[in-house]
Amino acid sequence: GQNIDQPTEMTATEGAIVQINCTYQTSGFNGLFWYQQHAGEAPTFLSYNVLDGLEEKGRFSSFLSRSKGYSYLLLKELQMKDSASYLCAVSYNAGNMLTFGGGTRLMVKP
Amino acid sequence: DTGVSQDPRHKITKRGQNVTFRCDPISEHNRLYWYRQTLGQGPEFLTYFQNEAQLEKSRLLSDRFSAERPKGSFSTLEIQRTEQGDSAMYLCASSLPRLAGREDTQYFGPGTRLTVL
Repeated sequence: GQNIDQPTEMTATEGAIVQINCTYQTSGFNGLFWYQQHAGEAPTFLSYNVLDGLEEKGRFSSFLSRSKGYSYLLLKELQMKDSASYLCAVSYNAGNMLTFGGGTRLMVKP
Repeated sequence: DTGVSQDPRHKITKRGQNVTFRCDPISEHNRLYWYRQTLGQGPEFLTYFQNEAQLEKSRLLSDRFSAERPKGSFSTLEIQRTEQGDSAMYLCASSLPRLAGREDTQYFGPGTRLTVL
């Protein structure tokens, strides 16, 4: 079976740093993705991890530990526009289908 | 705009009617995926194509649902005899296959929001 867990909601202050955790148990693993989704819009790609360790991309970083089935997304210097849902997804099978967590709704306050 | 496009963006229909959605992927992408997303949840995989071949279907895809990709370019998703439980956002995504040194990132279209009354 496929199971991906992430917190439902988080709140943070503008300019701060926030870490969104994701744990997964999946039959098959090709890689882990993070997407950002604003209300009523499509998910947009943020980051991809296939090997253990940290991937950094500007204000966003993502970490993966395959042995622990764990990932996190780190957002630095938070801006109001970062208020959105953040989706953790595992790619599996030869077709690289995605299994998503329920998403973490992040609210950035002034 | 060279991204994934979907049409229509919104569809309101009455229970029992048939609906069809269209997805145009990024032109060089040979993989195309359909997902369904309900409010407050992450997307759920429905089916995917590599070129014109439909290679995988989720158990979520009942026999009222059918998808095609006749020439390996655009795809259609049809829902027959719609039910209120079909109300959701239907998302399409496309990608290139994963190869060494290349990610298989899926890029999503804006979605079709279906409301069944």
